[in-house]
Amino acid sequence: GQQVMQIPQYQHVQEGEDFTTYCNSSTTLSNIQWYKQRPGGHPVFLIQLVKSGEVKKQKRLTFQFGEAKKNSSLHITATQTTDVGTYFCARSYNTNAGKSTFGDGTTLTVKP
Amino acid sequence: KAGVTQTPRYLIKTRGQQVTLSCSPISGHRSVSWYQQTPGQGLQFLFEYFSETQRNKGNFPGRFSGRQFSNSRSEMNVSTLELGDSALYLCASSLGFGHLNEQYFGPGTRLTVT
Repeated sequence: GQQVMQIPQYQHVQEGEDFTTYCNSSTTLSNIQWYKQRPGGHPVFLIQLVKSGEVKKQKRLTFQFGEAKKNSSLHITATQTTDVGTYFCARSYNTNAGKSTFGDGTTLTVKP
Repeated sequence: KAGVTQTPRYLIKTRGQQVTLSCSPISGHRSVSWYQQTPGQGLQFLFEYFSETQRNKGNFPGRFSGRQFSNSRSEMNVSTLELGDSALYLCASSLGFGHLNEQYFGPGTRLTVT
């Protein structure tokens, strides 16, 4: 089936270090959404990217959508312990696909 | 606005039994999607309902079914439970149908099958 690879699966960082997670697809995506799930919690919507090459920022978080709309990244600058959790990308392949399908997620742990 | 609510929050069932989970979406949201989350399989899409009609279905056996009521509330049913059905079942609501709608998740129902 159509797969989206999310890498890395796990990332351990020291507080203050940067963190990046990537979503890669073999086919062109219609849009990509990013969600965060804290330990013991439920996924929470962060952002949606639709346009080729789009870049959006939320404080220390920077989201990018590739020019070819086949990959996306989430970058966190100067991680804090509150950033701990699993970050999921969710993608659709065409406008009639209904709801998105989630990647496997990247679990971030931050050492104080 | 109140968020997405799911009941019950925890459930323990025995193999072979059936279970019904309930989801109340955010007021005004008309789309409800269901997901199964397990440590090994991640977030797996079950189905999506919009205006009381199932619009999309994931790759799950027929033991998994759902419905949506006129007030947008949704239920999912799992019959003949198996040990592998133990998971966190998440419901997500959206304003409308389609891939551009952001999803708001409920706290989930933790199902344990023994």
